[in-house]
Amino acid sequence: DTEVTQTPKHLVMGMTNKKSLKCEQHMGHRAMYWYKQKAKKPPELMFVYSYEKLSINESVPSRFSPECPNSSLLNLHLHALQPEDSALYLCASSQGREENYGYTFGSGTRLTVV
Amino acid sequence: QKEVEQNSGPLSVPEGAIASLNCTYSDRVSQSFFWYRQYSGKSPELIMSIYSNGDKEDGRFTAQLNKASQYVSLLIRDSQPSDSATYLCAVNPIKAAGNKLTFGGGTRVLVKP
Repeated sequence: DTEVTQTPKHLVMGMTNKKSLKCEQHMGHRAMYWYKQKAKKPPELMFVYSYEKLSINESVPSRFSPECPNSSLLNLHLHALQPEDSALYLCASSQGREENYGYTFGSGTRLTVV
Repeated sequence: QKEVEQNSGPLSVPEGAIASLNCTYSDRVSQSFFWYRQYSGKSPELIMSIYSNGDKEDGRFTAQLNKASQYVSLLIRDSQPSDSATYLCAVNPIKAAGNKLTFGGGTRVLVKP
């Protein structure tokens, strides 16, 4: 299995809603990431989990809350989002925290906040 | 100065020609370099990685790294319409920060039949 699976693929939510994005990989990777990508822009790092511990938080607003229940799963909890948070949210994984590993990306969740 | 810079394009190449993409980076201690391909509306797909100065070939793709000049390039030989996509250069800028990739803005490539 060489995939990173993200659900849902599309999500429309109101500004008062609470929702969660889910990411799963079964490649034995020990580092997992959340990126945000706006249209015609590169992916921007949000969070890094390494060996199930949060190792990098790129000053993301608290309305985004990551969770790593185990080495295969990564969630992103969303609450009180703003319309400008609408974007493609990408989960990725890599073999480890060392710098020589490229990422495997999931197919993304396209989020629209109304 | 941006950490990773690419020409946004579009880079228009005829089918069968060579597409040449360039990327420069600002952090001299960067260790690892990656090229991703992203089709419109899809997620990035890793196509090449390179860690040492010189060339690395994989099929129709060749990555070239010059750490002294702080640039990395990607050549696509025998370009096909299916190569039309945005190509993202990614760099791991600081060894101590772990595996934190920084992406360039991407170069859009259009291969015309």
